[in-house]
Parts: sequence; C-alpha cells; structure tokens
Amino acid sequence: ELKVEQNPLFLSMQEGKNYTIYCNYSTTSDRLYWYRQDPGKSLESLFVLLSNGAVKQEGRLMASLDTKARLSTLHITAAVHDLSATYFCAVDMARGSRLTFGEGTQLTVNP
Amino acid sequence: GAGVSQSPSNKVTEKGKDVELRCDPISGHTALYWYRQSLGQGLEFLIYFQGNSAPDKSGLPSDRFSAERTGGSVSTLTIQRTQQEDSAVYLCASSLDTRGKYFGPGTRLTVL
Repeated sequence: ELKVEQNPLFLSMQEGKNYTIYCNYSTTSDRLYWYRQDPGKSLESLFVLLSNGAVKQEGRLMASLDTKARLSTLHITAAVHDLSATYFCAVDMARGSRLTFGEGTQLTVNP
Repeated sequence: GAGVSQSPSNKVTEKGKDVELRCDPISGHTALYWYRQSLGQGLEFLIYFQGNSAPDKSGLPSDRFSAERTGGSVSTLTIQRTQQEDSAVYLCASSLDTRGKYFGPGTRLTVL
C-alpha cells in the first residue's frame, strides 16, 4: 500500500523567510503532484513532477523530485502572507491511476 | 477554458435520504476521480474512471455509495440512505494522460 507522508504538518513562518516542506512516499513512483488549498476552497494544481531530478519553479515556490530517495520538496523563498494555505503532495503509482495524498501542511505566513 | 464543474455546490439532507452529486469533467479528459475530504481530514479516494475500462471502486466506503459515468463524460456519485458520517466535501477531478489532475470546486454535503 502506497503511503505518503508530509512534514511538517503545521508551519508558521515570518514573511521574508525561507522554508522547505518535505514529502516522502513508500513505493516507487515517478509522478508527484503538489496542490494548494485555501480554506473552504478546492485544490489548485501547483506542480506536476514526472521524472527523477525534475525541478519546477513558480514565483516563490520551487518543487523538486528525487525518485531514488522517494522524496519531494517544496521550497518557499522569501515567504509572503499570500502563500498562507494548506499544501498537499500526492503520488500515483501508475499512469492515470488514483492519487494518494499526504496529510497536508498548513502554512501560515505572519506579517 | 472551462474547468471541472460540480453541482450542487452545497447540499443539506436528512439522515436516511439519498443524494446525487454531479461532476462535469474538462472536455476531452479521459480519466475522472472522486475524492472526499472530511472536516480537518485528508483526502480520501473513492472511485476512478478511465475511458471505457471498468472503474476502480476500491475506495468506496460502503455499498451505499455508487457512481457512474455516462458517455465517458459526466459522472454522478450517489449516496443512498445517507448517514451523518457521510458529511464531507466531495471533490471530483479529471485528467488526460500523465498531466495534471484538475479538481472541481467540490460539493459540500451536510447530513443532519
């Protein structure tokens, strides 16, 4: 059974600081997804990582994938309040199969 | 272009009633997924449709839950004899091949 674990689950940080959210998964996969969820809203797709060593950046967020270590990271650079949300990573084991989600990381960026 | 749409956005029902939740995927997307998210909980897989293949129903929590996808497009999730523990946000997603899976706005179900 595929398990996906995120840490930390709760993260409170100051504006301007950097931090990394980690996503570990238990079974070989080369497809990893990052989503953002604002309170009361649905999931917004941030990144799709499809190969070992993949790195994608959008604004202050950068995601990377190491399939050998079964680890993805979401790095936040110079955080701003607008980044406050819950971030989920998700993995699927085969093309088009179900996504298994991590528990989510609730990020709060304080002014 | 149009994203995944779901209806209704909110549904309040009484325990024991049946409910139907609808999902319209992105046009041309062959895969469709249903998930649910309970208050403060994670995302729980329910069912997955891929083209004309038999659906993966392994996430359905009980036989009160069923889903169908007509014409490879619209999907309906039906919950019979609703219970209070069925209260959650039901999310639908669609995808094409290995690219992103895009989620709809969800249906918030409240069972009184």
